[in-house]
Amino acid sequence: EVKLLESGGGLVQPGGSMRLSCAASGFTFTDFYMYWIRQPAGKAPEWLGFIRNKANGYTTEYNPSVKGRFTISRDNTQNMLYLQMNTLRAEDTATYYCARTRWLLSLFDYWGQGVMVTVSS
Amino acid sequence: DIQMTQSPSSLPASLGERVTISCRASQGISNNLNWYQQKPDGTIKPLIYYTSNLQSGVPSRFSGSGSGTDYSLTISSLEPEDFAMYYCQQDASFPPTFGGGTKLELK
Repeated sequence: EVKLLESGGGLVQPGGSMRLSCAASGFTFTDFYMYWIRQPAGKAPEWLGFIRNKANGYTTEYNPSVKGRFTISRDNTQNMLYLQMNTLRAEDTATYYCARTRWLLSLFDYWGQGVMVTVSS
Repeated sequence: DIQMTQSPSSLPASLGERVTISCRASQGISNNLNWYQQKPDGTIKPLIYYTSNLQSGVPSRFSGSGSGTDYSLTISSLEPEDFAMYYCQQDASFPPTFGGGTKLELK
């Protein structure tokens, strides 16, 4: 059974940092692109960035809104996906999801349960 | 980026009713349109991919149609578990973008 399980959310002050993790199981992790997607309360989901699969060299791309502040990485030995978030702002407050896709542009066929990040003093 | 506009934003409906949710893209997306359901606990599940293909395990009361810029999701007879948020998403062009959502509510 495919599972994605995020962890690491919570309350952080503006300007602070936080790392989210996503534990993947039930599939060949290296075959898939992995995205981070966030959803502010009452709004639509928004892609943050992704990391490519093994065949495409595990390279990353970012939404301009977070480029330079957020970093996505993966540990393929542990089937883990990470999102390092620095210089956090109030507008980064949202529920954060990891999701997998087979290709750059395809259905997000499995999502994690989401983890809440609140940026506030 | 391709903008996705859903309507209505809120849809009151009754059990057993047939409902349709619309999604319009700001440019043609060649049927590269997916639908997702989000439950109140935040769980997101894919329903339909490439306009009309049912994801594995999704009940047949869900169907999708459309072409060009206009797409729709239809639920033929509402069950209690169908009252949720629904989002369309295009994957025709990078970056993938989502519609603003439709809240299907019990009337």
